Amino acid sequence: DGGITQSPKYLFRKEGQNVTLSCEQNLNHDAMYWYRQDPGQGLRLIYYSQIVNDFQKGDIAEGYSVSREKKESFPLTVTSAQKNPTAFYLCASSIEGQGNQPQHFGDGTRLSIL
Amino acid sequence: GENVEQHPSTLSVQEGDSAVIKCTYSDSASNYFPWYKQELGKRPQLIIDIRSNVGEKKDQRIAVTLNKTAKHFSLHITETQPEDSAVYFCAASKYNFNKFYFGSGTKLNVKP
Repeated sequence: DGGITQSPKYLFRKEGQNVTLSCEQNLNHDAMYWYRQDPGQGLRLIYYSQIVNDFQKGDIAEGYSVSREKKESFPLTVTSAQKNPTAFYLCASSIEGQGNQPQHFGDGTRLSIL
Repeated sequence: GENVEQHPSTLSVQEGDSAVIKCTYSDSASNYFPWYKQELGKRPQLIIDIRSNVGEKKDQRIAVTLNKTAKHFSLHITETQPEDSAVYFCAASKYNFNKFYFGSGTKLNVKP
């Protein structure tokens, strides 16, 4: 959907470096999510946020951090503690974080290690 | 927690044939089941969804059926076309709960 913008499209990380993936939405959605997708795999939830200044860990939060200072923005930081960061990262949002409305996805960021 | 299993992992059909992808879920409280289509390197896009108060929903060549008793739901694509080739994901969630649980995906190949 054009309402969710992820940047950059491609990102390279050096050993020991933290990198931040951007996710912005103009859909006025309350809830935002970060997923990791490995080749040939499904989507695994990293973090989600239902409201500004609040977020919860998903199933694979170790080595990642997030913030939700604005409703429109939900950046994801991949820290040096994440030893296997190479993956396709997808940001999503939904109208209510109540699990009964569809999620809308961004175009993704492909992260690789240099 | 919820566990969603999806089968088959790959599916190859001839153009014009039908394709069926099945998912099972474990949490009987799940009540919302979307299906997403993801083309190579692109974002997943919602193609159809169903809520637990109905057993079937159709949208042109696509339909989804839900069996709450057996806890499974299926995606049916009729008159397949080469542009239907993609990876399809099912998901499950429940009201007042923020997580979506995704299946592992089905790679559909429609041969011309």
